[in-house]
Amino acid sequence: DTEVTQTPKHLVMGMTNKKSLKCEQHMGHRAMYWYKQKAKKPPELMFVYSYEKLSINESVPSRFSPECPNSSLLNLHLHALQPEDSALYLCASSQTTGATNYGYTFGSGTRLTVV
Amino acid sequence: GESVGLHLPTLSVQEGDNSIINCAYSNSASDYFIWYKQESGKGPQFIIDIRSNMDKRQGQRVTVLLNKTVKHLSLQIAATQPGDSAVYFCAENGRNTDKLIFGTGTRLQVFP
Repeated sequence: DTEVTQTPKHLVMGMTNKKSLKCEQHMGHRAMYWYKQKAKKPPELMFVYSYEKLSINESVPSRFSPECPNSSLLNLHLHALQPEDSALYLCASSQTTGATNYGYTFGSGTRLTVV
Repeated sequence: GESVGLHLPTLSVQEGDNSIINCAYSNSASDYFIWYKQESGKGPQFIIDIRSNMDKRQGQRVTVLLNKTVKHLSLQIAATQPGDSAVYFCAENGRNTDKLIFGTGTRLQVFP
């Protein structure tokens, strides 16, 4: 299995809703990532988990809450989002060696619309 | 600070011609570079990568060139096909970091 699987593919939520995005990989990768991508822009890093521990938070608002239950799963919990949070949310994983990461693989993303 | 930028936002080429997409980076500590292709509504798809100890790497119809002196990366696509139409991103990763940073992207349009 050489894929990163993201669910759901599309999500519409109200500003008072609570929802979660899910990401799964079975490549044995030990680093997992959340990126946010607005239209016609490059992906922007949000969070990095390395060996199931949060290693990087790129000053993301607390209405986004990541979770890494195990080495294969990564969640992004959403609460009280704003319409400007509407974007494509991408999950990625990589095979960190402790020296240089490699093998970055991206999922197809969740298209999130906040109404 | 770190930044990875591209010279051209849109590149139009005729089917069968070769395409060259360029990328400049500013972090001299960048150790690993990747080119991704992204089609509409999809996630970035790995094309080819190169480490800083190399200056050229070839794949199927694609070649990546790395010039560390001027901090420049390029992607060459031979015999460009309509299926190559997409947005192409370069991305860089520094040694001992968990950050993969993307450039601004170039849209490649292939016309018959």
